[in-house]
Amino acid sequence: DAGVIQSPRHEVTEMGQEVTLRCKPISGHNSLFWYRQTMMRGLELLIYFNNNVPIDDSGMPEDRFSAKMPNASFSTLKIQPSEPRDSAVYFCASSSFSTSGGSGEQFFGPGTRLTVL
Amino acid sequence: GESVGLHLPTLSVQEGDNSIINCAYSNSASDYFIWYKQESGKGPQFIIDIRSNMDKRQGQRVTVLLNKTVKHLSLQIAATQPGDSAVYFCAENLAGTYKYIFGTGTRLKVLA
Repeated sequence: DAGVIQSPRHEVTEMGQEVTLRCKPISGHNSLFWYRQTMMRGLELLIYFNNNVPIDDSGMPEDRFSAKMPNASFSTLKIQPSEPRDSAVYFCASSSFSTSGGSGEQFFGPGTRLTVL
Repeated sequence: GESVGLHLPTLSVQEGDNSIINCAYSNSASDYFIWYKQESGKGPQFIIDIRSNMDKRQGQRVTVLLNKTVKHLSLQIAATQPGDSAVYFCAENLAGTYKYIFGTGTRLKVLA
């Protein structure tokens, strides 16, 4: 398996523009996470999907952020409009979760480094 | 006021020596723990995990120790190499939940 795949790896955009980040989780994993990492706050959970359904979006900063998971092999994180304070590295991670067995190892993608000018 | 960034504790170790990185976790209900290594410009990479029914688990050159009494986790790296230089995070998973709580990380610097 290629692991978690994210694109693009780097994105530079201007304030006000729409940004879409993409993620392909590991095949067979039923849980997908979007994280944001900054020097100020470290690693923050933005949203969690289980079986393609958003379960917890309490970490999404504001309405400018939205995430979708149309199928088990693809998810997007969209920022519209983007602002300079959104500059960060965004990670997607996937894992297998069951109510009986709990969570297993969480695998991270390489991240998308977003710079909003 | 001036903003400050996340100040990571740094551990400097001579090449060939053993390293010990510590982590205090927050929730006594956590039952699964992971150590991650994050190199510059890369995503966190799984190193080793341990479940709460164990006190110790060994991998290749790495050992994780779990002390549930004081909610403490440690990562031991034997014969530290330059390639071990990275930021190391611990993560705890609350029993029966999806949620992982990450520590702030420790930067390991290996001195030649």
